[in-house]
Amino acid sequence: EAQVTQNPRYLITVTGKKLTVTCSQNMNHEYMSWYRQDPGLGLRQIYYSMNVEVTDKGDVPEGYKVSRKEKRNFPLILESPSPNQTSLYFCASSRNQETQYFGPGTRLLVL
Amino acid sequence: GENVEQHPSTLSVQEGDSAVIKCTYSDSASNYFPWYKQELGKGPQLIIDIRSNVGEKKDQRIAVTLNKTAKHFSLHITETQPEDSAVYFCAPRGVLSFGAGTTVTVRA
Repeated sequence: EAQVTQNPRYLITVTGKKLTVTCSQNMNHEYMSWYRQDPGLGLRQIYYSMNVEVTDKGDVPEGYKVSRKEKRNFPLILESPSPNQTSLYFCASSRNQETQYFGPGTRLLVL
Repeated sequence: GENVEQHPSTLSVQEGDSAVIKCTYSDSASNYFPWYKQELGKGPQLIIDIRSNVGEKKDQRIAVTLNKTAKHFSLHITETQPEDSAVYFCAPRGVLSFGAGTTVTVRA
C-alpha cells in the first residue's frame, strides 16, 4: 500500500529536550516536505527536499532541522524544542511537486 | 511569494444543500489547482484538481471551476452529506502554498 508514515503520532516533551520525528514514504517520490498546522493558520511549510542531500527552508524553518540521506526518509529534528513549537506536524511526499500525499500527522506538546 | 486567500473560513450547510468554497491566488504562473480534504484526525487528501487549460472538472458530487483571468478557483459540493464535514484546503502552485482552510459542517 502506497503511504507516508510518521512516528511518533503523539509526543509530549519538555523545553530543550531534543527530539526527532521520523517520516518515511514507499512511493519512490523525490520531493518531501514538512508542515505544521495551527488553528487559523492552515498548513505552513517548514522545510522541503527536492532529492537526496538537497533540502531548503520553507516559510517557518526557525527552530527546526531536517536531513535527507535516503530517498524514502525525511526526519524532522527539533534540537531545543520550545512551547511555541507545540503543533500538529505533517510530512508529505510528491512525485512532481504537484499532488501531495500526507502522513497521518504527529501531535507535539512542548511543556 | 504566493498570496492565497480562501473563503469562507467556516461553512455550515443543511444536508442535501450545496457548498461552495473560493480560493484566490496572486501568482499568475500557477497552472495546477488542487483541493484537499482533511477529516478529523487525518492528514489532508487530494479530492480533485484542475489544470490551467481546463475551466471545469467534475467528479460525482464535487467539481472545481477555474477563472484564470480573475485568479480564483472554486470547489463545489452538491447534495452534501454528513461525511462531507471536514476541513478543505486549496493549494495553488502545488506544494508551495496552501490556503488557511475552510471548515465545512453538514447539518443533518
